[in-house]
Amino acid sequence: AQSVAQPEDQVNVAEGNPLTVKCTYSVSGNPYLFWYVQYPNRGLQFLLKYITGDNLVKGSYGFEAEFNKSQTSFHLKKPSALVSDSALYFCAVTPWAGNMLTFGGGTRLMVKP
Amino acid sequence: DSGVTQTPKHLITATGQRVTLRCSPRSGDLSVYWYQQSLDQGLQFLIQYYNGEERAKGNILERFSAQQFPDLHSELNLSSLELGDSALYFCASSVAGGVGETQYFGPGTRLLVL
Repeated sequence: AQSVAQPEDQVNVAEGNPLTVKCTYSVSGNPYLFWYVQYPNRGLQFLLKYITGDNLVKGSYGFEAEFNKSQTSFHLKKPSALVSDSALYFCAVTPWAGNMLTFGGGTRLMVKP
Repeated sequence: DSGVTQTPKHLITATGQRVTLRCSPRSGDLSVYWYQQSLDQGLQFLIQYYNGEERAKGNILERFSAQQFPDLHSELNLSSLELGDSALYFCASSVAGGVGETQYFGPGTRLLVL
């Protein structure tokens, strides 16, 4: 069975500074990895995904994520944080067979002015 | 706006009752997924349909059932409701339900069982 861990419940960063939200995974076979963001009282919005190819994946709103197979990690990054990036971020994985998402527990990102 | 719609937005009901949550996928998407988000369990996959047929089942209780209709909308039926069923229920859709396809989520239905 697959699993995802987001080791930080909350990440605090100052506006303009780089941000990293960590994610590690466990899955049999090749992983399919996703990042979603949830704003208050809203659904989940897709940010980016890794299927295969380049280990650095670029997504929406200036976010990117780096796939590291040896460390089984898929950390979300952004060079310069905005206050409007404050939200709940979820990392997710799907197995090699099937498309059901297994989510991590979520990381709350707080960007302070 | 993802293009996935869910109704109702909020639902308040009593223990022992039955409710139906409705989802319309994005135009052209054939696969629908249901997820439950609760404080203690986090986000959990419940069930997936593809073109009217059940494709995958997750941690869905026997009191819960779902179906996808010929027009591709889906309904999640929750019966004999318990306090612990209070949660945010999300529907998502993807083109064909294949491996690695992006799922687009609706705004959710917030269920409160009193």
